Amino acid sequence: GIQVEQSPPDLILQEGANSTLRCNFSDSVNNLQWFHQNPWGQLINLFYIPSGTKQNGRLSATTVATERYSLLYISSSQTTDSGVYFCAVLGFQKLVFGTGTRLLVSP
Amino acid sequence: GAGVSQTPSNKVTEKGKYVELRCDPISGHTALYWYRQSLGQGPEFLIYFQGTGAADDSGLPNDRFFAVRPEGSVSTLKIQRTERGDSAVYLCASSLGSRSNEQFFGPGTRLTVL
Repeated sequence: GIQVEQSPPDLILQEGANSTLRCNFSDSVNNLQWFHQNPWGQLINLFYIPSGTKQNGRLSATTVATERYSLLYISSSQTTDSGVYFCAVLGFQKLVFGTGTRLLVSP
Repeated sequence: GAGVSQTPSNKVTEKGKYVELRCDPISGHTALYWYRQSLGQGPEFLIYFQGTGAADDSGLPNDRFFAVRPEGSVSTLKIQRTERGDSAVYLCASSLGSRSNEQFFGPGTRLTVL
């Protein structure tokens, strides 16, 4: 089946810093989603991005499907950005998740 | 509008008991998914419904797990003879189906088997 790898596994930032999270996947995919799992466990949709670039406020994402990777950019990080960021790719209608990047933003 | 809802939010049961977990998808979403998330891991697929039928149940770990969606809306995940290894957060998601496969998740049910 499809393999999804995320890096780095852990990231500690000072408030205001920028960061880039990476997601590599092993096969062609129909869809890719980025999620933020907040400290209460809720998965929040960030981007639905099978290819190209999208921006939403301080967050942006780029997926290069032909090279099988996606990047999530967080600019001017805030403490509320803390949590786990998951990349998930769609294979045969089911999402396959990576192991996540755990982000801690300190004041 | 309302998102995906799940009940109960927490369930504590004893080994060997039967449990039911409920999922109410976003109104109008024809596709519904169940996932399970263990501590420190990403969610793992269990089963996918398109309408009333289970289109893919390949992620169910064994025959103690069963899910239904009789009217094509609410779904119930049923676990028989629970084991301590079943302890996890059970997540439900829904999508528009053929019109869009972007999945939206509920808050989950945290199941603890003592």
